[in-house]
Amino acid sequence: DAGVTQSPTHLIKTRGQQVTLRCSPKSGHDTVSWYQQALGQGPQFIFQYYEEEERQRGNFPDRFSGHQFPNYSSELNVNALLLGDSALYLCASSSAGDRSIQYFGAGTRLSVL
Amino acid sequence: RKEVEQDPGPFNVPEGATVAFNCTYSNSASQSFFWYRQDCRKEPKLLMSVYSSGNEDGRFTAQLNRASQYISLLIRDSKLSDSATYLCVVLGATNKLIFGTGTLLAVQP
Repeated sequence: DAGVTQSPTHLIKTRGQQVTLRCSPKSGHDTVSWYQQALGQGPQFIFQYYEEEERQRGNFPDRFSGHQFPNYSSELNVNALLLGDSALYLCASSSAGDRSIQYFGAGTRLSVL
Repeated sequence: RKEVEQDPGPFNVPEGATVAFNCTYSNSASQSFFWYRQDCRKEPKLLMSVYSSGNEDGRFTAQLNRASQYISLLIRDSKLSDSATYLCVVLGATNKLIFGTGTLLAVQP
């Protein structure tokens, strides 16, 4: 049973570029949440998707957008990258039965130069 | 004020020691609480949920004081493998997890 998988594992971009990160949830899960973890900080909630719609959103600008597909996988897109967007981006999946129990993928480490 | 506050540490303890981490949260309406463990450059992993009555899992004991909005984690008989960052987590409105900054534990041989 595969857990939460994310791709790519590492990414280097330059300021102003755009990036797409991908996440496949754990088998049986329908909800995907995205978090940003800067160095030395705890993860910060970006947004949550289920039933292919953004349901909740944290305090992130519109440059951060996402999508969920019919197979429950999800993408996180960040436009007009800033140096401050450098972070570990974590995807977490959960089931409709209990969205509080969230399992994390290994993350994508994004470096913006 | 941060929604979830933790002492960042580091806590340097010898093997076999007992260590306690504390955490406070600001939203009195919060209903669910967790401790996650995060190893260096890895993803957070759920260590245990925290219940009002307190709960224990082997060497780990978690407690919740709703009146004081305070959560604790006690680790007994520390092992080298317990070295990690321990994240206090509160479930916010609409199922978003709110993380503290984490407390770094280093268990020394």
